[in-house]
Amino acid sequence: DAKTTQPTSMDCAEGRAANLPCNHSTISGNEYVYWYRQIHSQGPQYIIHGLKNNETNEMASLIITEDRKSSTLILPHATLRDTAVYYCIVGVGFGNEKLTFGTGTRLTIIP
Amino acid sequence: GAVVSQHPSWVICKSGTSVKIECRSLDFQATTMFWYRQFPKQSLMLMATSNEGSKATYEQGVEKDKFLINHASLTLSTLTVTSAHPEDSSFYICSAPRTGKAFFGQGTRLTVV
Repeated sequence: DAKTTQPTSMDCAEGRAANLPCNHSTISGNEYVYWYRQIHSQGPQYIIHGLKNNETNEMASLIITEDRKSSTLILPHATLRDTAVYYCIVGVGFGNEKLTFGTGTRLTIIP
Repeated sequence: GAVVSQHPSWVICKSGTSVKIECRSLDFQATTMFWYRQFPKQSLMLMATSNEGSKATYEQGVEKDKFLINHASLTLSTLTVTSAHPEDSSFYICSAPRTGKAFFGQGTRLTVV
């Protein structure tokens, strides 16, 4: 699996947009970028994924650079419940594969 | 709602005993499931891949005789921690793939005393 690099921690004010970066410079052409988050003492929760186009769903937006070497997860209006560890993972996208979790970004939403 | 259910959510056991953790896919079949372990303040580490009807595949360094995995049906995988010791205390999480994504159980907090 391609490796990803994320900042260890970030703070964001409640109500503001949280922008979480991820570098994946060795990503292969058939690999997707997945984002999961883990709230304390719970299993990871799927957020969003994409191949090369930007994606948006009810939870977040995913911006992938044209060269696909990096991406940004955007939580448009962060709430206190968004405080969690966010993991950026790359994979071939069939779901039937083992995922390699890095250290992720610990996002803290400040009231 | 949850698509993968894990049971129990937490368990405390005595050193030397065995503990079984169940992982169920709800309303879908999963021929493959994955088991992860997470120590405090660390990331998830894959332990093994559970395959329905065949032997599990263990990651390097994971003792297959200590962490027994059974995937006897298309909706249930079990992880049994045998002869548990305090160093096995951890957060155990399973996942199953569906529609091209991995869905995770809520995790099981194991404490061995």
